Amino acid sequence: DQQVKQNSPSLSVQEGRISILNCDYTNSMFDYFLWYKKYPAEGPTFLISISSIKDKNEDGRFTVFLNKSAKHLSLHIVPSQPGDSAVYFCAASTSGTASKLTFGTGTRLQVTL
Amino acid sequence: NAGVTQTPKFQVLKTGQSMTLQCAQDMNHEYMSWYRQDPGMGLRLIHYSVGAGITDQGEVPNGYNVSRSTTEDFPLRLLSAAPSQTSVYFCASRLRAPVGNTEAFFGQGTRLTVV
Repeated sequence: DQQVKQNSPSLSVQEGRISILNCDYTNSMFDYFLWYKKYPAEGPTFLISISSIKDKNEDGRFTVFLNKSAKHLSLHIVPSQPGDSAVYFCAASTSGTASKLTFGTGTRLQVTL
Repeated sequence: NAGVTQTPKFQVLKTGQSMTLQCAQDMNHEYMSWYRQDPGMGLRLIHYSVGAGITDQGEVPNGYNVSRSTTEDFPLRLLSAAPSQTSVYFCASRLRAPVGNTEAFFGQGTRLTVV
């Protein structure tokens, strides 16, 4: 049972345009959500997070939106740059099991020139 | 600032062999976890620990063993390697916050092939 889903395995966006990566979850107990970025042969690196008490969090070019009623979150990258080309993982946790993160399957973003 | 260090980076095992993947962190984080990454499967939790002496199973624990004798180290043991354990393994650590949540920091990964 996949509790965190990323239904788009890949996405291609032109440099300078907006990249939108989507993530859906099924567990209503999740109250903290994170996005990680992963380059080949490296470990995932933390990008941005959002608590369930918010519906938006922004950090530079990266904004995460949370829609609790739809159990959906999205990551917006504006403007997209070639260095953003990587695999992006959505992850979630609950306050009760703060030591555990549940990950989605990832979306490979390709930013083209 | 080393962060999370995993050794080895690459390993080839024969079916039935045992080995230990090492993980060490220098950030004094209470939480540590092991994940495996397989194509199309994302990162799946194998075992995790909320502090020294305390471990618990994750989503895919079979065939793996862990212990946490110190805050810094969290080794993952493969008891009898099988081809299904061919994967990339990531260790992560996370600070236990008094309020709210924190992000996890990952090591560089260990690519394991079982033949």
